Amino acid sequence: TAGITQAPTSQILAAGRSMTLRCTQDMRHNAMYWYRQDLGLGLRLIHYSNTAGTTGKGEVPDGYSVSRANTDDFPLTLASAVPSQTSVYFCASSSTSGGAYLYNEQFFGPGTRLTVL
Amino acid sequence: GENVEQHPSTLSVQEGDSAVIKCTYSDSASNYFPWYKQELGKRPQLIIDIRSNVGEKKDQRIAVTLNKTAKHFSLHITETQPEDSAVYFCAAIHDRGSTLGRLYFGRGTQLTVWP
Repeated sequence: TAGITQAPTSQILAAGRSMTLRCTQDMRHNAMYWYRQDLGLGLRLIHYSNTAGTTGKGEVPDGYSVSRANTDDFPLTLASAVPSQTSVYFCASSSTSGGAYLYNEQFFGPGTRLTVL
Repeated sequence: GENVEQHPSTLSVQEGDSAVIKCTYSDSASNYFPWYKQELGKRPQLIIDIRSNVGEKKDQRIAVTLNKTAKHFSLHITETQPEDSAVYFCAAIHDRGSTLGRLYFGRGTQLTVWP
C-alpha cells in the first residue's frame, strides 16, 4: 500500500501567492495532522482533524487553512504566502479505531519542502 | 497546553558507547510518550513508545524510562552504531477535551555516532 503521500515534493513560491499542499492516505485513519519542521524548533502542529468534517487549530495555525471533506484527503492551503512560511511540511495520520485511540502511532508522509521568496 | 522540553540538542558519542536523551513534560494528563527517529532527508518514524502505567520498556538496544512523578522520560541507546546517527524527537500525547490525541514534540536531539 502507498500509506501516506504528499505533493508536491518541493516548491518555490513567490510571496503573496497562494498554494495548496496535498496529503492523501489509504490506511483509513480517522485522524490527520499537518506539521511544519524548522531547524532547532522541531515539529510544530499547524492544524489537525480527528475525523472527516472536523478540524482544529494547532500551535501555529496563522496563515494556514485546512479542510477534511473525506477520510483520505487533508489539504493545507496558504492563502497568501510569506517568507516565514519557508519550511518542510509533514502530513501525518493515525488510527482512532477502538479503545486505543491515544496510543496509536502517527505515520508521517515524506514531506514537502516549501521555499517562499 | 502541554510543553515538552528535550535535552541535549546535540550529542556525539563513540561507536559502542551509550547515548541518553532526556525529556520533560508539563501536563500530568499526558499518558503516552513516543520517540521518533528522523534520518537526514527522511520522515520521522516511531522507534519506541511507553504508556503511563509502565516504568520502562526495552526493544533490543533501545530502552525508554518514564518517571510520572517527576514528569520526565528518557531514551537510552546502548552499543551505538553509526546508523543510529539521526535526529530523535520525544513527544507526549494530551488526552483531554478538544486536544485529544494531539502529539506535542520536543525540539529534537541530533545524535552523531563516530566510528
